[in-house]
Order: sequence, then C-alpha cells, then structure tokens
Amino acid sequence: QKEVEQNSGPLSVPEGAIASLNCTYSDRVSQSFFWYRQYSGKSPELIMSIYSNGDKEDGRFTAQLNKASQYVSLLIRDSQPSDSATYLCAVNGMKTSYDKVIFGPGTSLSVIP
Amino acid sequence: DTGVSQDPRHKITKRGQNVTFRCDPISEHNRLYWYRQTLGQGPEFLTYFQNEAQLEKSRLLSDRFSAERPKGSFSTLEIQRTEQGDSAMYLCASSPPGTKEAGANVLTFGAGSRLTVL
Repeated sequence: QKEVEQNSGPLSVPEGAIASLNCTYSDRVSQSFFWYRQYSGKSPELIMSIYSNGDKEDGRFTAQLNKASQYVSLLIRDSQPSDSATYLCAVNGMKTSYDKVIFGPGTSLSVIP
Repeated sequence: DTGVSQDPRHKITKRGQNVTFRCDPISEHNRLYWYRQTLGQGPEFLTYFQNEAQLEKSRLLSDRFSAERPKGSFSTLEIQRTEQGDSAMYLCASSPPGTKEAGANVLTFGAGSRLTVL
C-alpha cells in the first residue's frame, strides 16, 4: 500500500463547476496534511494546510479532513481555467519519520471554458 | 529573501558521469528536503536535513546518491555514475522551524534542477 494515494485523473470540469479532489493516506498517526498546486513546468506551491478534523475554507478552496477514515479532500468552487493544474496531496508527521513530507502521485485537473 | 535557489537549472550529462546539484534554502528555514520528480508523477522523497543533520534517506536510493548540508546552510546532492534512469527533475524545498500550526512543515520549493542523462 502506498503511503499517499489520490484519485486518478485527469479530471475535467466545466468553468464555474465544483472540482473535487480526493486523497487517502496509510499512516493513521499522520499529523499534517497539505494540498499543493503544480502548474506544468513549474514547482509545487502550497494551497492549503489542514491539521484537525473538519473543514477549512480559504476563498474558493475548502479542505476536508477525516482522520478516522484517513481521508483528505479539496473542493474548488467556481472553477476557473486558471485552476487547471496538477494537485498534489502531501502528508507529514508519520510514525516512521515525523518531519518527512510524502506526496501523492497528483491529480491533473482541467477546467474547460 | 529570494526564496529557494537551485543550481544548475538544467544539466545534460553522459551516462557514467558524476553530477552535483546545489540548493540554497530560505535563510531562516532549518529543514531542507530533496525530491525527485518524473513526468506525470508526484515528487518522490529522497532525503531531508534538520540543520546539518541528515535525518532520513529513502531506501529507494542507491549508494550512488549522496547529500550533504555542511553548517546547516546550503545543500548539495551528488549522483555518481549516472544512469539514464536518473533523468528527472530534482526539487529542493525548505521549511521553517516551529509548530505545525505555525507552518513548520510547509514546504517552499525551488525551481528545480532538470537532469538529462544521455
């Protein structure tokens, strides 16, 4: 079992729709969870971090964490063509190595105008 | 602060040659990470440092890979006897000290060093 898994893409949504991205992780004691966005040919950049169960909202982005299910999601409301990118889920604070940050394979999102 | 700097941005080498990449993190960041990324994949963890101490190295890495961070400042990643399978983007990232709520493990990435092994 991989440490961090994401729903396979590519994911295509029309402009203005809600994009839903999912991530599961294997280490139950993981502490911190992150969503990074990576445009083609660029490096990843942080969108959101979440540490507690529940929802965290920042503008059009909402991160959801369910530690019991070992599940993290990212919702993008009112999707824009500029949101087209690969979204990477990352996890930290695992039992084996507290400060190691592990990334999932990413989900490619395409927002169609 | 100019962010995380990586050098060179692109390196083309022949199989069997050694290559070295350098990373200069954000000055107040105490943790430094190296990742490898190939097309269509997420960043693959290679190693990380807290100050000058290398705390973990991926078991996936062969002995041809070595990283250092002397004096806890810049870091170098060396690949000896390069193979075509080493062709990838090598990403460096750094993160600040403190608590998780204060962003202790939020990574800031450099632009990466792309390696092409012929």
